[in-house]
Amino acid sequence: QKEVEQDPGPLSVPEGAIVSLNCTYSNSAFQYFMWYRQYSRKGPELLMYTYSSGNKEDGRFTAQVDKSSKYISLFIRDSQPSDSATYLCAMSALDSSYKLIFGSGTRLLVRP
Amino acid sequence: GAGVSQSPSNKVTEKGKDVELRCDPISGHTALYWYRQSLGQGLEFLIYFQGNSAPDKSGLPSDRFSAERTGGSVSTLTIQRTQQEDSAVYLCASSWPGQRETQYFGPGTRLLVL
Repeated sequence: QKEVEQDPGPLSVPEGAIVSLNCTYSNSAFQYFMWYRQYSRKGPELLMYTYSSGNKEDGRFTAQVDKSSKYISLFIRDSQPSDSATYLCAMSALDSSYKLIFGSGTRLLVRP
Repeated sequence: GAGVSQSPSNKVTEKGKDVELRCDPISGHTALYWYRQSLGQGLEFLIYFQGNSAPDKSGLPSDRFSAERTGGSVSTLTIQRTQQEDSAVYLCASSWPGQRETQYFGPGTRLLVL
């Protein structure tokens, strides 16, 4: 079993929809939680960063961490065709914060 | 300012040849990382450099892989005697030393071993 599980999708939604992307993990030592967006043939772009539990909002994006359930989410409001990409969750432990463990990514397609 | 840059963008090589991949981090970022992204494997950590400290090489898959960082800036990942299973995208990232979990990635080098 992988340390971080993420549904590969693809997830297809109409423009304007609210998108929910999720990851589950097994290592209770994880304290740092990140979401990256990756367009085709490009490097991952850091979207959101959260330390420990709680919510964080940045524009149309909201990241949630539930450490008790070992479950993290990324919500995208008013989704746009330009949001079509692969979304990767990543996490790391306190004593090895530099060693990011990635999910396999969810492909998102926002239809105009 | 400029982001992380990597060269070459694409590399095609024959099995058994050596390859060198280059990474130029964001100016001021003293922490540098290499990852490999393979189909079906996701991103996997390879190596971490921080200043003049000994690098964490725990993610390197075999002794055919090595990396160095000269002058605390540019890094080179070398793969000797390439194998077909080395075909992947090699990504470099950098960060501020006190923010190692927030890493900024370059565009990657796509390596194809024939």
